[in-house]
Amino acid sequence: DSGVTQTPKHLITATGQRVTLRCSPRSGDLSVYWYQQSLDQGLQFLIQYYNGEERAKGNILERFSAQQFPDLHSELNLSSLELGDSALYFCASSASGITDTQYFGPGTRLTVL
Amino acid sequence: AQKITQTQPGMFVQEKEAVTLDCTYDTSDPSYGLFWYKQPSSGEMIFLIYQGSYDQQNATEGRYSLNFQKARKSANLVISASQLGDSAMYFCAMRGSDTGAGSYQLTFGKGTKLSVIP
Repeated sequence: DSGVTQTPKHLITATGQRVTLRCSPRSGDLSVYWYQQSLDQGLQFLIQYYNGEERAKGNILERFSAQQFPDLHSELNLSSLELGDSALYFCASSASGITDTQYFGPGTRLTVL
Repeated sequence: AQKITQTQPGMFVQEKEAVTLDCTYDTSDPSYGLFWYKQPSSGEMIFLIYQGSYDQQNATEGRYSLNFQKARKSANLVISASQLGDSAMYFCAMRGSDTGAGSYQLTFGKGTKLSVIP
């Protein structure tokens, strides 16, 4: 158990819908990262938050957004969903510094029908 | 830009034997970190081992060791005494700092699927 929690574990929805994925980092970790894992793109970085502020953006679509709350939990919002958004979405957390390891949550498997 | 290459899509190893999973990387950042993660069929990503670019010695964690050859830009994972539970996907990843201060996202390779044969 990495100490990172993600809910829900599975999510099935229809095209055009909006969903919210939730992540709670390990106790004391200030950084939260979101990654997407799909068969064709592999594992890709989406976005990072550090202590409530957006720190870096990767290959995140404009239909996707995220935030980190004062209690450090984070939410990833996916809207106007398309079939191609079906993937495993991971949240990872780290303490803060460059040598800190990122520990991954169990992931949320999103299926868009 | 950073790049991780894992050239072995799949590998087989006999139980109790050692196996090496290859990883090469490319970066212009003088300071970086290399990671290996394991993803069993259940889907979670499990951290195995870390090597910093300035570390003088190869990292070891139990049955896992990292064969770090900086000049060749390779960071191969060695698993000793393979067990059936080692069957999984293994991902090599790099973290650098050339994307800006405080942003240390990981760049992943495509992974190697390891199958341990009894």
